[in-house]
Amino acid sequence: KAGVTQTPRYLIKTRGQQVTLSCSPISGHRSVSWYQQTPGQGLQFLFEYFSETQRNKGNFPGRFSGRQFSNSRSEMNVSTLELGDSALYLCASSLRPENTEAFFGQGTRLTVV
Amino acid sequence: AQTVTQSQPEMSVQEAETVTLSCTYDTSESDYYLFWYKQPPSRQMILVIRQEAYKQQNATENRFSVNFQKAAKSFSLKISDSQLGDAAMYFCAYRSPRAGGGADGLTFGKGTHLIIQP
Repeated sequence: KAGVTQTPRYLIKTRGQQVTLSCSPISGHRSVSWYQQTPGQGLQFLFEYFSETQRNKGNFPGRFSGRQFSNSRSEMNVSTLELGDSALYLCASSLRPENTEAFFGQGTRLTVV
Repeated sequence: AQTVTQSQPEMSVQEAETVTLSCTYDTSESDYYLFWYKQPPSRQMILVIRQEAYKQQNATENRFSVNFQKAAKSFSLKISDSQLGDAAMYFCAYRSPRAGGGADGLTFGKGTHLIIQP
């Protein structure tokens, strides 16, 4: 059974640009969560999607957005990139929101220059 | 909002020895879930062990066990017979019982870097 797949693995963008990251959950999993990991702030919850609906959102500006498709794949978008957006972005999937066991992908390393 | 604190930025242990990683948390909820995740250099977060707050029995997974002290809001991880493959960052995490974990999802500590000395 394939795990959580995140693409791309690495990304370099310029300040002011926008970026889209993709996450394909484990087959059958319908809940997808996103986290930002930085050396300074650690791991922070961005948002969670289930059945194409955003259920929860962390404390991030509106430049951070996401969506989920009918096949449960999810994308997150960051507009008007800032240097501080450089981070490892991790995606986690679970069967449903109430399932506590979340499986993580290997992340996308975003560097903003 | 809940907070999770890991007071040991780095720990070192000899191979085959036992090591305990500390974690404390703060919450006003009576029911919740606690986790230990491992993040090796590959960066993928791997679930090590999970504890439901309503269960008094400490969770155990092979060489990994926890000491869950609900009143003290403490959740330490004990790794027995440490192996070189255990070297990684270890994160303690909290999750609300509400579906999806509520507005905070998983709340993580800052992590402990575990070094295994051969």
